[in-house]
Amino acid sequence: GENVEQHPSTLSVQEGDSAVIKCTYSDSASNYFPWYKQELGKRPQLIIDIRSNVGEKKDQRIAVTLNKTAKHFSLHITETQPEDSAVYFCAAGFGAAGNKLTFGGGTRVLVKP
Amino acid sequence: DTGVSQDPRHKITKRGQNVTFRCDPISEHNRLYWYRQTLGQGPEFLTYFQNEAQLEKSRLLSDRFSAERPKGSFSTLEIQRTEQGDSAMYLCASSPRGGLAGVSNEQFFGPGTRLTVL
Repeated sequence: GENVEQHPSTLSVQEGDSAVIKCTYSDSASNYFPWYKQELGKRPQLIIDIRSNVGEKKDQRIAVTLNKTAKHFSLHITETQPEDSAVYFCAAGFGAAGNKLTFGGGTRVLVKP
Repeated sequence: DTGVSQDPRHKITKRGQNVTFRCDPISEHNRLYWYRQTLGQGPEFLTYFQNEAQLEKSRLLSDRFSAERPKGSFSTLEIQRTEQGDSAMYLCASSPRGGLAGVSNEQFFGPGTRLTVL
């Protein structure tokens, strides 16, 4: 089955700096890669996703890049703000298999003011 | 609230008891997923439904676990003879049917049911 590795497990940045989280996946059939943000005690919420036919996607301060050959994808947050502090999860899914998601272990991001 | 809802939000039970959780998905979504999340970990896939059909079950889902979605709307997850290792947050998510042009793959999560087995 699919296996998703996520690094780093914790990330501390100064407000205004950039944050980068990296994930690798094992199943070359995976074709959907969402990123979720989970604040303490809250449900995971999608912040951005990318399909395998696209190499990069951007939404304001958030961008995701995908390298299918190397089977890795990354989340980039620019101009970080204290409200970006949360746990971020990457995931991989395969549309023909119902898009069940395999999640990485999470990255706890702390943005210091 | 038109999002995914789950009931109860918290459940404390003694080892060996049976528990049942309910999930109400977003009304027009025909896919429904159950995940389990333990502290400090990402959610782990348990099972999913397309309409009323249960299409896949994880090997994590032992024979003590059963899920139903009888009318293709709400779903229930039952755990029989609970064990302390079952303590976790049980998350439900729903999505439109993905893979179609213009249809989002996004899975919308509910608030979860936190199970504590004493």
